[in-house]
Amino acid sequence: DIQMTQSPSSVPASVGDRVTITCRASQDIDNWLAWYQQKPGKAPKLLIHTASTLWYGAPSRFSGTGSGTDFTLTISSLQPEDFATYFCQQANSFPRSFGGGTKVE
Amino acid sequence: QLQLQESGSGLVKPSQTLALTCTVSGDSISSIGHYWSWIRQHPGKGLEWIGNIYYNGLTYYSPSLETRLTISVDTSKNQFSLKLNSVTAADTAIYYCATAPNSAYFDYWGQGTLVTVSS
Repeated sequence: DIQMTQSPSSVPASVGDRVTITCRASQDIDNWLAWYQQKPGKAPKLLIHTASTLWYGAPSRFSGTGSGTDFTLTISSLQPEDFATYFCQQANSFPRSFGGGTKVE
Repeated sequence: QLQLQESGSGLVKPSQTLALTCTVSGDSISSIGHYWSWIRQHPGKGLEWIGNIYYNGLTYYSPSLETRLTISVDTSKNQFSLKLNSVTAADTAIYYCATAPNSAYFDYWGQGTLVTVSS
């Protein structure tokens, strides 16, 4: 099984900050990686798939890079609505697996 | 707009069966390329993939749950279901249904339903 490790687990930030979150896979997953945003009491929302493709409706301030085992999610200028928890997920193989989450607070 | 809605018992006794149904609206559950998924989240924790099903009944299960798990699809009702046997307190979680194009990513999610395992 592929293990997904996110860092940091939490990141203090302010409106306007550039925020970067890292996700590392335990083996090569090519570009089969997605990022999700989750707010308290809500279901996760897909932000990015195939490592760097923005999902419909996701703001352009979100971007994703990486391939192989190392990936990053960047928020170029943090907005008030971006305070949330972010998860990565690998789609290279079964069982699908998620990172432990990064809380932007 | 595709919508998914979970339903089922919110309280299950230990050793009994957890049963949930996801009703799909806005699209056919038989749409080519769409897989239908269950994901859970333990309170305050991360996300755990449970399994996927295709409209023809093809399934992929989490190895950690597969001995207790059945996912099925009812195309006539545009629904798919989850049954998890022999539950314990460790199965207490928010259960989400979602759709996964080509079984990869989860693009549309239900609102989630909390299932508590307790006597």
